[in-house]
Amino acid sequence: DAMVIQNPRYQVTQFGKPVTLSCSQTLNHNVMYWYQQKSSQAPKLLFHYYDKDFNNEADTPDNFQSRRPNTSFCFLDIRSPGLGDAAMYLCATSRGLAGFNEQFFGPGTRLTVL
Amino acid sequence: TQLLEQSPQFLSIQEGENLTVYCNSSSVFSSLQWYRQEPGEGPVLLVTVVTGGEVKKLKRLTFQFGDARKDSSLHITAAQPGDTGLYLCAGIILTGGGNKLTFGTGTQLKVEL
Repeated sequence: DAMVIQNPRYQVTQFGKPVTLSCSQTLNHNVMYWYQQKSSQAPKLLFHYYDKDFNNEADTPDNFQSRRPNTSFCFLDIRSPGLGDAAMYLCATSRGLAGFNEQFFGPGTRLTVL
Repeated sequence: TQLLEQSPQFLSIQEGENLTVYCNSSSVFSSLQWYRQEPGEGPVLLVTVVTGGEVKKLKRLTFQFGDARKDSSLHITAAQPGDTGLYLCAGIILTGGGNKLTFGTGTQLKVEL
């Protein structure tokens, strides 16, 4: 089945230790998104890629970076995780940006910062 | 910043009861989507409403988009334990950078036997 896969599902890191979260998709969608969702809150968009074009949200901290080496994969890098970065990180994809393209979400990676 | 407020924030009901969740904003949206998210999983799209005043039904779920495209409601008839989850509305605004989802504050629903 076509899907959005996130690895690992659970990630534990230490304060200040860089961490990378992975997302892959078999949908061949042009757009990939990264959201941060804290406990009992709505997902908050961090950035998205349309093909290789990177679009950062204005309020996304510099501590968060992303890479998309090819259509299928997208990575979220947190350079120096703080305690406040503990959250569920959701990857999503959509076919395009125009119109009302449905976004397909992965199961998320829950990040714990010790 | 487009803010979407959902109410109630938490709802605990018995199986068989009806309920309504509201999603309100001062902004006008091109369309609005409703998602359900279960613990440990990503949100799953339930419906997209596009036209002001539009009503869509999905089995026991009825979704309505406000006439002015600023608000929406989700009504569940005869709730079942399987309806338990976090319900999120998300407004879509079409910009030069493409369509962006702005998620609502969420409604956590628990349906008990």
